[in-house]
Amino acid sequence: EAGVAQSPRYKIIEKRQSVAFWCNPISGHATLYWYQQILGQGPKLLIQFQNNGVVDDSQLPKDRFSAERLKGVDSTLKIQPAKLEDSAVYLCASNPSGSNEQFFGPGTRLTVL
Amino acid sequence: GQQLNQSPQSMFIQEGEDVSMNCTSSSIFNTWLWYKQDPGEGPVLLIALYKAGELTSNGRLTAQFGITRKDSFLNISASIPSDVGIYFCAGQSPSGSARQLTFGSGTQLTVLP
Repeated sequence: EAGVAQSPRYKIIEKRQSVAFWCNPISGHATLYWYQQILGQGPKLLIQFQNNGVVDDSQLPKDRFSAERLKGVDSTLKIQPAKLEDSAVYLCASNPSGSNEQFFGPGTRLTVL
Repeated sequence: GQQLNQSPQSMFIQEGEDVSMNCTSSSIFNTWLWYKQDPGEGPVLLIALYKAGELTSNGRLTAQFGITRKDSFLNISASIPSDVGIYFCAGQSPSGSARQLTFGSGTQLTVLP
């Protein structure tokens, strides 16, 4: 079974630029999460999708961050415009219905200069 | 929101030694998960715990769900070099949004030959 796929693996941009990350969850997993992991910390939830609907985006900085999962499968996370403090690893995770066990992708390491 | 206190923050041990790390919370959880994260990768699930008092093993790893539902520990026996990495606890609150996890800040494990 293929795992959670993410791309790109690395991205370097200048502040005020835009960036987008892509995630393809494990096939059949209805729930998808985006996390932000700052160096030296645990992952922090940004947004949770159930199929193509948003379950919780209370911790998403909506003035600059947006995410979508239009067809209930893959998802994109966008930052526009980026700030220096957005430098982090952005992790995507998914889990099957009825399970608490989340499976993570390799992450995208973002550096904002 | 919930906060998890994970300790120790880092550990240096000799190959072959046993190691223990733990997480505590001010509120109860109904699920505890332990993950390991290697450099440049996403967290990988090691053990999942679902019942207070539950003791579960996965090879050389043993984890327990505390009776009070506010803590959990992970033990690694006879450590080997590939145990190096960051270990995270994660808990799911019964009052939180469905399936959302709160992560600890991680324990960085170094195994010396």
